[in-house]
Formats: sequence, C-alpha cells, structure tokens
Amino acid sequence: DIQMTQSPSTLSASVGDRVTITCRASQSISTWLAWYQQKPGKAPKFLIYKASSLESGVPSRFSGSGSGTEFTLTISSLQPDDFATYYCQQCNSNPWTFGQGTKVEIK
Amino acid sequence: EVQLVESGGGLVQPGGSLRLCCAASGFTFSNYWMSWVRQAPGKGPEWLANIKQDGSAKYYLNSVKGRFTISRDNAENSLYLQMNSLRAEDAAVYYCARNSEIAAAGNTFDIWGQGTMVTVSS
Repeated sequence: DIQMTQSPSTLSASVGDRVTITCRASQSISTWLAWYQQKPGKAPKFLIYKASSLESGVPSRFSGSGSGTEFTLTISSLQPDDFATYYCQQCNSNPWTFGQGTKVEIK
Repeated sequence: EVQLVESGGGLVQPGGSLRLCCAASGFTFSNYWMSWVRQAPGKGPEWLANIKQDGSAKYYLNSVKGRFTISRDNAENSLYLQMNSLRAEDAAVYYCARNSEIAAAGNTFDIWGQGTMVTVSS
C-alpha cells in the first residue's frame, strides 16, 4: 500500500498568512493526488484533484502543486473559514490512502 | 441539493454485525461509483470499499475483505455496507462518499455524507 505522510501535523498561523502543507508519498504517484478540508464534526470537503486542479467552487486562494512523491497545498492568504484539518489522498493505486492530516490552527 | 445521508450505526459487541445504509438524493445515483470511507477518532480517513455504477464490480480494503460487503440498489438510490465479525478496531465514523465523475480526478470523493458512528465494545 502507498503510505502518505503529511507535515507538519499542526500549523499555527494568523489570518492573512501564506500557509504551505506538505504531503509525501511512499512511492511515485505521478499527479494522482487530492486534497480535502475537514472541520470538527463534519465530513471532509473535496478541494483539489490531479495535484493542482481546483474543484468547482473552491476559492482561488487554495492551490496545489507537485508530482511524483512530493506535493504541497498552499493557502495564499489564510481566512477565518480556513482553520481546519487538511488531508491528502493518493488516487494512483488501490487501496486509496490518506495522510494523517495537518491541523491549521489560530496563532 | 446533492445529499448523502447515512444511517444504521450504533453500539455492537465484538463479533457482531451491523448494516449501514446511505440514501442519495439530488443527483443521478446510478451514474456514479460509490464508496464507503471510515475515520477513527483523531485519524485520517480510510477508504474501505467501492462499487461500480451497476454493481458489477466491487473492491475492498484487505483488512475488511471477507467481513464487509458493499452493495447498492439504484431503484432506491441507496448504498449499503454489511459489516460482520466486527472488531474493536472497526470503531469509527463511517461515511458514504460519491466518487468524482471527473476522469482526471481518478478515485477521489467529491460528495460525502454526514457520517454514522459505529462503536464496537462489550
């Protein structure tokens, strides 16, 4: 199975900050990577697919990049609604696996 | 409104069974692959199983293969997960999720239900 490792586990930031989260795959997954946002008590929300393509309706302050084994999710200017936990997911091969999450909290 | 609503979770003893249901609305259910994903407290989501539009293909996570069965009823716009031989480590919130129809998105999940809690304890 492909292991997904995110860093950092927790990130403290302020409104307006530029935030970057890293996700590493245990083997190459090309650009078969997605990102999700999850708020406490809620289901994950689909943000980005194919490493850098924004799902419809997702604000443009979110962006993704990377290929192979290293990927990043960037929020260009953190907004109050963005404080949440973010997960990456590989969709290169079955089983489809997720990272352990990065919690973005208020500094 | 596109919506998935799970039901059927609860407290079950180790070795017991539960059947989860997911009611879909707001989209043409029969056009989509569907999945079950679970999330234990404080952990990342874990994909469990998915099923093709017509039910002709099903795939499972190894750790649940032979214990869990995914099925669907397109006439009822419903997805099911039969869970047998439950273990303590199966305790989690179970989500029904729609697979994205965007080919470039691969096996990703664009719509999720609110989840149903499964607790396995004696």
